[in-house]
Amino acid sequence: EIVLTQSPATLSLSPGERATLSCRASQSVSSYLAWYQQKPGQAPRLVIYDASNRATGIPARFSGSGSGTDFTLTISSLESEDFAVYYCQQRSNWPPTFGGGTKVEIK
Amino acid sequence: EVQVVESGGGLVQPGGSLRLSCAASGFTFSSYSMNWVRQAPGKGLEWVSYISSTSSYIYHADSVKGRFTISRDNAKNSLFLQMNSLRDEDTAVYYCARDVRGYSYGPCDYWGQGTLVTVSS
Repeated sequence: EIVLTQSPATLSLSPGERATLSCRASQSVSSYLAWYQQKPGQAPRLVIYDASNRATGIPARFSGSGSGTDFTLTISSLESEDFAVYYCQQRSNWPPTFGGGTKVEIK
Repeated sequence: EVQVVESGGGLVQPGGSLRLSCAASGFTFSSYSMNWVRQAPGKGLEWVSYISSTSSYIYHADSVKGRFTISRDNAKNSLFLQMNSLRDEDTAVYYCARDVRGYSYGPCDYWGQGTLVTVSS
C-alpha cells in the first residue's frame, strides 16, 4: 500500500498570504495524485487532479505541481473560504490512499 | 444538477449488518464508476470499495474484504454497500462518490453528504 505523508499537519496563515502544502508518496505515483478540500461537517471537494489540473469551478489561486513522489498544492492568496483541511489522494495502485491531511487555519 | 444521496446508516450492534444505498441523479449513472469512502469521527479519509460502470471490476479495501460487498443497479441509478459482521472500527460517515469520467478509484468529483454508521453495543 502506498503511504502518503502530508506536511505540515497544520498551517497557520492570514488571509492574503500564500499557502504551500506538501504531499510525499512512499513510492512513485506518477501524476496520479489529487487534492481535496474538506470543511467541518461537509463532504470532501475535489480541488486538483492528475497533480496539476484544477477541477471544475476551482479558482485560479489554487495550483498543483509535482510528479513521482513529491507534490505541492499552492494557494496563492488565501481567501476566508479556503481555511479547511486538505487531503492528497493517489490512484496509481489499489488501494487508493489518502494522506493524513493538512489543516489550514486562520492565524 | 448532479446529485448523489446516501441513506441507510444508523446504529447497529457489533456483528450486525447494514445496507447503505446511494441514489444518483442528474447524470448518466451507467457511464461512471463509483466508490464508497468512509471517515471515522475526527479522523481522515479511507477508501472502502470501488465498482466500475458495468460492475466488471470490483475492489474492496483489505479492512472490509469478505465482510462488505459493493454493488449497483444501473437501471435504478443506485449504488449499494452491504455491510456484514460489523465491528466497532467500522463506525464512520460513509460517502458515496463518483469518479471523474474515464477514471477509476479517483479522482472523485461528486460526493454525497454522507451517512453515519455507528457500531456499538
